[in-house]
Amino acid sequence: NAGVTQTPKFQVLKTGQSMTLQCAQDMNHNSMYWYRQDPGMGLRLIYYSASEGTTDKGEVPNGYNVSRLNKREFSLRLESAAPSQTSVYFCAISKTFSGVADTQYFGPGTRLTVL
Amino acid sequence: AQSVTQLDSHVSVSEGTPVLLRCNYSSSYSPSLFWYVQHPNKGLQLLLKYTSAATLVKGINGFEAEFKKSETSFHLTKPSAHMSDAAEYFCVVRLSAGNNRKLIWGLGTSLAVNP
Repeated sequence: NAGVTQTPKFQVLKTGQSMTLQCAQDMNHNSMYWYRQDPGMGLRLIYYSASEGTTDKGEVPNGYNVSRLNKREFSLRLESAAPSQTSVYFCAISKTFSGVADTQYFGPGTRLTVL
Repeated sequence: AQSVTQLDSHVSVSEGTPVLLRCNYSSSYSPSLFWYVQHPNKGLQLLLKYTSAATLVKGINGFEAEFKKSETSFHLTKPSAHMSDAAEYFCVVRLSAGNNRKLIWGLGTSLAVNP
């Protein structure tokens, strides 16, 4: 039982390149999230998927797209990477979206550098 | 507007002394409150959560937090710091009413534990 897995763990891109970050869960939770973490700024929500088949913008969606492929998988795509997207990216899941006490479980993160 | 403020960006304590990490929130609704911990180069893990039951909440690794509605605070404490407590701590608020079901993250408090 791995919980939440993310691939890759590290990635270096050149400006303008594209890539997809993958997230998968084996906890059968409905809601999935993508965050970025930057020094001094805490976690900021990029996109979320309250349930399979739905996605919505979070706080900082510009430059990103997402796909909820099925209940288990939620991918984050950078179409044309920019240095400002250098960050650590975390995928998270929760049992439901509306459950106010629902715990979020996090993946180990992807450290992305854009040169 | 709903927000969460972690009053100290950095706290330094000696091993064996008490830990206090402060968190204040503002919310028009009854919130759920969480503390998450992030050890260096690791993902995030739930430490404890308040969900309108007992105001004193006990978490993992000897941490606890007290919800004080009159002070709109949810400070995290531990009687005796251990070296392994050195990490980044995040206070998180979630609304229990209204349309906004997303979490609001504090900017984090870095805890250093000195031998």
